[in-house]
Amino acid sequence: DVKVTQSSRYLVKRTGEKVFLECVQDMDHENMFWYRQDPGLGLRLIYFSYDVKMKEKGDIPEGYSVSREKKERFSLILESASTNQTSMYLCASSLSGQGIYEQYFGPGTRLTVT
Amino acid sequence: TQLLEQSPQFLSIQEGENLTVYCNSSSVFSSLQWYRQEPGEGPVLLVTVVTGGEVKKLKRLTFQFGDARKDSSLHITAAQPGDTGLYLCAGPHSGTYKYIFGTGTRLKVLA
Repeated sequence: DVKVTQSSRYLVKRTGEKVFLECVQDMDHENMFWYRQDPGLGLRLIYFSYDVKMKEKGDIPEGYSVSREKKERFSLILESASTNQTSMYLCASSLSGQGIYEQYFGPGTRLTVT
Repeated sequence: TQLLEQSPQFLSIQEGENLTVYCNSSSVFSSLQWYRQEPGEGPVLLVTVVTGGEVKKLKRLTFQFGDARKDSSLHITAAQPGDTGLYLCAGPHSGTYKYIFGTGTRLKVLA
C-alpha cells in the first residue's frame, strides 16, 4: 500500500511565524505535490517537485516555498504566515514518466493562523 | 484549458437509494481517477479508468469512462451512510506533471 504521511494533522500558528509542513512517501515516487483546499475553491496546486532538488510553481505559489532534499520527503514552508493561509494542506505523490500515474494523498494538515 | 465539471454539486439521499455522479470535460483525458474524501481527511483513491468505454466495479460502486474519454460517471447502488463524503474526479493535465481536479460532489447518505 502506498503511504503518504504528513507531520501534523492540526497546527495553530501566529501571524508572522515561519511554518514548516513535512510530507513523506514510501513508494519511491518521483513526483510530489502540495495543495491547499478551501471551501468553494477546491484543490489548488501550490508547488510540485518532479525530482530531488527540482521544483515548479503551481497555481498559487505566493507566500510559500518548498524543499526537496531527499526523494521521499517534500517540505512546504510558509515564510511568514498570514491569516489568509489558514487552510487544509494536502500532500500527494505519484510516479512519473509515460503511462498512468495516479496521485496518492496524505491525511492533510489543518493549519490555522491567528 | 482542461476543466472537469462535476454534477450534482450536492446530493442528500436516504440509505438504500441509488445515485449517479457525473464528471464532464470538453477535453480528452488519458485517464481519470475517482477519489472519496471524508471530512478532515485526505482524498482516498477509489479507481482509475483508462480505456474509452471502460466499466469498473468496486463492490456497490460502478465507474464508467466515456467512449471519447471526455467524461466519466460513478454509480452507487443501495447507498449506505458510510458512502457519505466528497467525491472528486481528477485527471492528468496533458503535457505537464499537473492534475486537473473536478469541482466535487458532496454526498450525504441519511440512515
